[in-house]
Amino acid sequence: GQNIDQPTEMTATEGAIVQINCTYQTSGFNGLFWYQQHAGEAPTFLSYNVLDGLEEKGRFSSFLSRSKGYSYLLLKELQMKDSASYLCAVRDPSSGSARQLTFGSGTQLTVLP
Amino acid sequence: EAQVTQNPRYLITVTGKKLTVTCSQNMNHEYMSWYRQDPGLGLRQIYYSMNVEVTDKGDVPEGYKVSRKEKRNFPLILESPSPNQTSLYFCASSLGGPNSPLHFGNGTRLTVT
Repeated sequence: GQNIDQPTEMTATEGAIVQINCTYQTSGFNGLFWYQQHAGEAPTFLSYNVLDGLEEKGRFSSFLSRSKGYSYLLLKELQMKDSASYLCAVRDPSSGSARQLTFGSGTQLTVLP
Repeated sequence: EAQVTQNPRYLITVTGKKLTVTCSQNMNHEYMSWYRQDPGLGLRQIYYSMNVEVTDKGDVPEGYKVSRKEKRNFPLILESPSPNQTSLYFCASSLGGPNSPLHFGNGTRLTVT
């Protein structure tokens, strides 16, 4: 089976740093994605990790530890526009298709002034 | 502009009245997929397609049909909609490599009364 856990909600202050965690238990693993979704809009791709370590992309970074089944998304210098839901998704080739993604329920981040 | 186009954006219908939600992508992507998104449940895959004439069930296929007669189009068909199919639906596509992110359409909010 597959299980992906994220906190439901988080709150942070403009200009601060926030870390959104994601833990997963899957039969197989072939990559982890983070997406951002503003209310009522489509999810948009943020980052991809398949090897252990940190991937940095501007204000956003994503970390992966395959042995721990753990990832986090780090957002620096928070801006009001970062208020959104952040979705963790795992690619599990044992699920039937190498291209299938299983999504977590998402973490709703609210950035306060 | 590279995009995934879904129509309609909003749809209100009654139980049992057949409907089709269209999805088209202009990126020559092989892989296409349909998701539904419900509060607290995240994105759940309905059907996916690896290429023309190749489709397969996702996690929640009951009550839905799809077809892939052309590479660019992947319509979602509800033969006899029921109120439990009230949801936000997203079509997505990708190139198909393991690190290829999904590109999502803008969503279709369906209400079945």
